[in-house]
Amino acid sequence: DIQMTQSPSSLSASVGDRVTITCRASQGISNYLAWFQQKPGKAPKSLIYDASSLQSGVPSKFSGSGSGTDFTLTISSLQPEDVATYYCQQYTTYPITFGQGTRLEI
Amino acid sequence: EVQLVESGGGLVQPGGSLRLSCAASGFSFSDHYMDWVRQTPGKGLEWIGRIRKKTNSYTTEYAASVKGRFTVSRDDSRNSLYLQMNSLKTEDTAMYYCTPHRGDYWGQGTLVTVS
Repeated sequence: DIQMTQSPSSLSASVGDRVTITCRASQGISNYLAWFQQKPGKAPKSLIYDASSLQSGVPSKFSGSGSGTDFTLTISSLQPEDVATYYCQQYTTYPITFGQGTRLEI
Repeated sequence: EVQLVESGGGLVQPGGSLRLSCAASGFSFSDHYMDWVRQTPGKGLEWIGRIRKKTNSYTTEYAASVKGRFTVSRDDSRNSLYLQMNSLKTEDTAMYYCTPHRGDYWGQGTLVTVS
C-alpha cells in the first residue's frame, strides 16, 4: 500500500498568515493527488484534484503543487473559517489511501 | 445542485448485516466510478471500496479490511449506490460516505454502530 504522510499533524497560525501543509507519498503517484477540508461535524469537501487543479467554487486562496512523491497545500491568507482538518489522498493505486490529517487552528 | 444522500445506517450486533444506500442527483451518476469511504469516530478517512461504470463492466475493488465481507453495487437506473455489509465487526463502527472517483462530491454520511 502507498503510505501518505502529512506534516505537520497540527498547526496553529494567525489570521492573515500563509500556511503550507505537506503530503509525502511512499512511492511515486504522478499527480494523482487530492486535498480535502473537513470542518468539525461535517463531511469532507474537495479543494484540489490532480495535485494542483482547483475544485469548482473553491476560493483561489487555496492552491496545490507537487508531483511524484512530494506535495503541498497552501492557504494564502488564513481566515477563521479555514479552521478544519485537511487530508491528502492518492488515487493512482489500490487501495486508495489518505494521509492522517493536519488539524489547523487559529 | 449535486446531492449525495446516504441512508441505512444504524445499530447492529457483531456478526450482523446491514445494507447502506446512496442516492445521487445533479451529476451524471452512470458516467462515474463510485466509492465508499468511512471515518471512525475521531479518526481519519479510510477508503473501503469502488465500483466502476458500465463500460468497465461494473468491476469492483476493495480494501483488505473489508474484502470478502462487504459488497459494492449500483443501479444506474435509480442513480443509486449500495454497500452490503456482512459479518460486521466492532471495528466497522464508523460514518460511511459515498463519493464519486476523486472525491469531488460528498454526502452527509450515515452512521453505522456495531455493538
